[in-house]
Amino acid sequence: QQPVQSPQAVILREGEDAVINCSSSKALYSVHWYRQKHGEAPVFLMILLKGGEQKGHDKISASFNEKKQQSSLYLTASQLSYSGTYFCGTEIMEGHNTDKLIFGTGTRLQVFP
Amino acid sequence: ETGVTQTPRHLVMGMTNKKSLKCEQHLGHNAMYWYKQSAKKPLELMFVYNFKEQTENNSVPSRFSPECPNSSHLFLHLHTLQPEDSALYLCASSLSGSSYNEQFFGPGTRLTVL
Repeated sequence: QQPVQSPQAVILREGEDAVINCSSSKALYSVHWYRQKHGEAPVFLMILLKGGEQKGHDKISASFNEKKQQSSLYLTASQLSYSGTYFCGTEIMEGHNTDKLIFGTGTRLQVFP
Repeated sequence: ETGVTQTPRHLVMGMTNKKSLKCEQHLGHNAMYWYKQSAKKPLELMFVYNFKEQTENNSVPSRFSPECPNSSHLFLHLHTLQPEDSALYLCASSLSGSSYNEQFFGPGTRLTVL
C-alpha cells in the first residue's frame, strides 16, 4: 500500500517555505524522507519512528502524527540547493517489522532565485 | 571508494543479451537492496538481502536474478529483458534489514533495453 504524497510539485522563490505531506491509510512503523536531485542518488534526510515525534536539522524538519499515519516535511527559508524530488518511504505496521520500504510518488520541488 | 558504488553507470542491451549489474558498499552494512526507478513512478523495491539471505522478492520477473555473495556485494543478473525494463536501477544498503535504519543509495545504473 503506497503512501500518498502531496503536493506533486512545488515552485518556490528563495526564502519561501514549503510543506510536503505523506499519508498512509494504516499506521506505520517508520517514515523515511529522502531527497533526489536530478541524475543523482536519493539522499537520506531523516527518519521518524514515534507518534508525535518532531525532528530536524538546519531548516528542514519533519513531524509524525500521533496515529503514525501521516508525516510532514517542512522546508523553511528555502535555498536553491533544496531543489529536487522528495520521497517518503514507509512501512505499514502489519505483523513484525521488516526491511521493506514502500515509497511515495515523490514531490518535485523547484526553488528559483 | 566510499559509500555505495554501482557499475556500470550506463548500459544498453538487446533483448537477447545477458548482462549483470554490480553494487558494492563500503559502509560495513549487512542489508542490501535493489530498486527500480522508472520515469514518473515511485521507487519500486525489487529484492532485499539481509546478512546474505534473500528476505524479499517483490514479485519480480525471473528475467531478473539477484546474487549476494557477501554482505558487501550485490549483483543483478539480467537476461532476455523487455523494453519496459528500461529504467534506473538503484542499489542501497543499510546497517541491518529493518525499516528503522536509513538506507544509503548508490548512483544507479541507467539501463536501456532495445
